[in-house]
Amino acid sequence: SYELSQPPSVSVSPGQTASIPCSGNNLGKKYSSWYQQKPGQSPVLVMYEDNKRPSGIPARFSGSNSGNIATLTIGGTQPMDEADYYCQVWDNNIAVFGGGTKLTVL
Amino acid sequence: QVQLEQSGAEVKKPGASVTVSCKASGYTFTDYYIHWVRQAPGQGLEWMGRINPKIYGTYSTQRFQGRVTMTSDTSVTTAYLELSGLRSDDTAIYYCARAETESNDFDYWGQGTLVTVSS
Repeated sequence: SYELSQPPSVSVSPGQTASIPCSGNNLGKKYSSWYQQKPGQSPVLVMYEDNKRPSGIPARFSGSNSGNIATLTIGGTQPMDEADYYCQVWDNNIAVFGGGTKLTVL
Repeated sequence: QVQLEQSGAEVKKPGASVTVSCKASGYTFTDYYIHWVRQAPGQGLEWMGRINPKIYGTYSTQRFQGRVTMTSDTSVTTAYLELSGLRSDDTAIYYCARAETESNDFDYWGQGTLVTVSS
């Protein structure tokens, strides 16, 4: 079965750029999505089809996907961006999630 | 506005079954798939399966086949997830989520339903 790997944690200072990687075999050949989940809340879609932002998601969120790595980038990170982030792809019509990355803004 | 309203928390004994409901509003129910995703305490997201309310087609991962039943009732725009043979490791928050196709991104999520399995 297909697997996605994410680092358990990433730290960033307020106002700096945060990059959250997601790795998988030939990941660049699949569309990746990203979900943000804050404590006690449901996940929220923040990126789809690698680099498309849903309505209402700030422009500081961007995405890329090439080779074996998809990356969610948050430019000018704000304290409100502190959350868990999950990458997700479809493999043979099965949704696969990465293990999640806790983004700490300090 | 689009809303997915889930049923309340449940406490079940091992071996029992649980049904979680997900009432959709603010869009045409049959135009979107409903997917089910669960999250064990302190853990990540795990996709369980999906239902197409228009044609009543379902698909679940092999891990849950034989234990999960997904249904929908278009008259009340509600999808249901039934999980049988509950074990302690089924303790989790169960989410429903909407997607435009069988393999599209999840653009709206329910608030989640905590299912606790304990003797």
